[in-house]
Amino acid sequence: DVKVTQSSRYLVKRTGEKVFLECVQDMDHENMFWYRQDPGLGLRLIYFSYDVKMKEKGDIPEGYSVSREKKERFSLILESASTNQTSMYLCASSPNHRVEGYGYTFGSGTRLTVV
Amino acid sequence: SQKIEQNSEALNIQEGKTATLTCNYTNYSPAYLQWYRQDPGRGPVFLLLIRENEKEKRKERLKVTFDTTLKQSLFHITASQPADSATYLCAPRKAAGNKLTFGGGTRVLVKP
Repeated sequence: DVKVTQSSRYLVKRTGEKVFLECVQDMDHENMFWYRQDPGLGLRLIYFSYDVKMKEKGDIPEGYSVSREKKERFSLILESASTNQTSMYLCASSPNHRVEGYGYTFGSGTRLTVV
Repeated sequence: SQKIEQNSEALNIQEGKTATLTCNYTNYSPAYLQWYRQDPGRGPVFLLLIRENEKEKRKERLKVTFDTTLKQSLFHITASQPADSATYLCAPRKAAGNKLTFGGGTRVLVKP
């Protein structure tokens, strides 16, 4: 089974800190994604990557950056954490869209609280 | 702009009955539509994918329909069980491109 592993389940950080959220997948998927999920707002795409060193902005990239130096690892960086970035962060991976029939595989999520 | 609508009200259903969830989309021409299940505090889990040229797809007690004229997908859970209680998300997807946008989800509560 494909596994997507997020480094932390719960994280508490202070306002202004630089925060790194790590995600690793073990199925050689080309695509990796970062979403945040908030009550009433659903899943919103922050950034995604379709290849090593490639990245594209999603719907809400402001205040975030990403890094993909290796195919299996996709990092989300909060440059200067703010309280409005308190949320559940979900990483996902998938094969290239030309491979039909596959959905996304999500990690278990990181619940980040910024105080 | 593209819009995906799922009933935000929770669906309460008696065990053994069929739960039917709706996913409507506008300003969109998806080639596929995916359904996911999400339990509280966990990431979504992929359930089913239906293509635009497929009218219906089944997997065990799950059935999905896809009507590109109505711009709607229906998701059915037959013979529902308390273990089916979760939030169900739909996600239409275009043929090209790797990005997936999700609906807000419908929470299902199956009572014994």
